Amino acid sequence: DTEVTQTPKHLVMGMTNKKSLKCEQHMGHRAMYWYKQKAKKPPELMFVYSYEKLSINESVPSRFSPECPNSSLLNLHLHALQPEDSALYLCASSQEGTANNEKLLFGSGTQLSVL
Amino acid sequence: GDSVTQMEGPVTLSEEAFLTINCTYTATGYPSLFWYVQYPGEGLQLLLKATKADDKGSNKGFEATYRKETTSFHLEKGSVQVSDSAVYFCALRTQGAQKLVFGQGTRLTINP
Repeated sequence: DTEVTQTPKHLVMGMTNKKSLKCEQHMGHRAMYWYKQKAKKPPELMFVYSYEKLSINESVPSRFSPECPNSSLLNLHLHALQPEDSALYLCASSQEGTANNEKLLFGSGTQLSVL
Repeated sequence: GDSVTQMEGPVTLSEEAFLTINCTYTATGYPSLFWYVQYPGEGLQLLLKATKADDKGSNKGFEATYRKETTSFHLEKGSVQVSDSAVYFCALRTQGAQKLVFGQGTRLTINP
């Protein structure tokens, strides 16, 4: 299995809802990432988990809450989002997370719309 | 801080034309350099990479050479196809950094 799988592919939620995005990989990668991508913009890093511990939080608002229950899974819990949070949310993984020549493998993303 | 600058798009070419997308970077140390491609409605896919000066990355007819003296990593393809229509991102990563720094992306459209 050489993929990063994200579910759901599309999500529509209201500003008072609670929802979760899920990401899964079975390549033995020890670093996992959440990126946010607005239309016609590059991805912006949100969080990095390394060996199941949060290593980077790019000053993301607390209405986004990441969780790494084990080395294969990464979740992003969403609560009280704003319409401007509508975007494509991308998960990625890499071997170790520290070598500069490591490639990131991206999932197909979850297209989130907040109404 | 580290940064990547790509040529502004959109770029529109005819099939079989020669493609160049310019990318220059600013970084401390010796970064690795990457080109990622994003097809409509999908995530990013690694197209090619180079990890040290004068390395040439290549894949699917695309090439890019790591030029330290000009801090550049321009993407080239000799004969583009309609299926190459996508957004292309140049990116860098420095040693010990967990962050991939992206350029703004260049939208490429190939007309038959």
